Amino acid sequence: EAGVVQSPRYKIIEKKQPVAFWCNPISGHNTLYWYLQNLGQGPELLIRYENEEAVDDSQLPKDRFSAERLKGVDSTLKIQPAELGDSAVYLCASSLARGTEFPGELFFGEGSRLTVL
Amino acid sequence: AQKVTQAQTEISVVEKEDVTLDCVYETRDTTYYLFWYKQPPSGELVFLIRRNSFDEQNEISGRYSWNFQKSTSSFNFTITASQVVDSAVYFCALSAPHTGNQFYFGTGTSLTVIP
Repeated sequence: EAGVVQSPRYKIIEKKQPVAFWCNPISGHNTLYWYLQNLGQGPELLIRYENEEAVDDSQLPKDRFSAERLKGVDSTLKIQPAELGDSAVYLCASSLARGTEFPGELFFGEGSRLTVL
Repeated sequence: AQKVTQAQTEISVVEKEDVTLDCVYETRDTTYYLFWYKQPPSGELVFLIRRNSFDEQNEISGRYSWNFQKSTSSFNFTITASQVVDSAVYFCALSAPHTGNQFYFGTGTSLTVIP
């Protein structure tokens, strides 16, 4: 079974440029997460989807970040414009569990490492 | 508020030594779940174990064992006879249904096993 697939693995851009990350979750997983991981830190939630609905986006900096999950499968995370402080790893994860159900394990992709110059 | 503390930032051990990674959590929920994930250099976090708050039975899986103690709000992870392949960053995480199962991760412990 294919795992969570993310692209690109690495991206280097100049500040003020836009960037987009793509995630394909495990087939059948209704819940999709985008996490931000800074160096030496644990993942921090940016947004969580159940199917195509963003059920928790309270941590997403909406002035420059946006996300979508069309048709409840693939998802994209966009930053426009990027700032120096956005340099980090952006992790996508998916899970079978939804909402207040018993929390299943999260399956993570390998992440997209962003460097903003 | 939910919080996970991993006080050990980095640990180095010589191969075949035992090592324990500490995890202390804070929550007001009576129902919650604790997790351990491994993040090798490739970057992908790999699930190791999930425990619920009502099951304090310790668990052993091969060279891995977990000690869950509600009295001290700890969920420690021990690797017996460590191997070079165990070198990775290990994260402890907490999740509770009433918060929509948001996962709260600790800052991780970087383990280096020296051959």
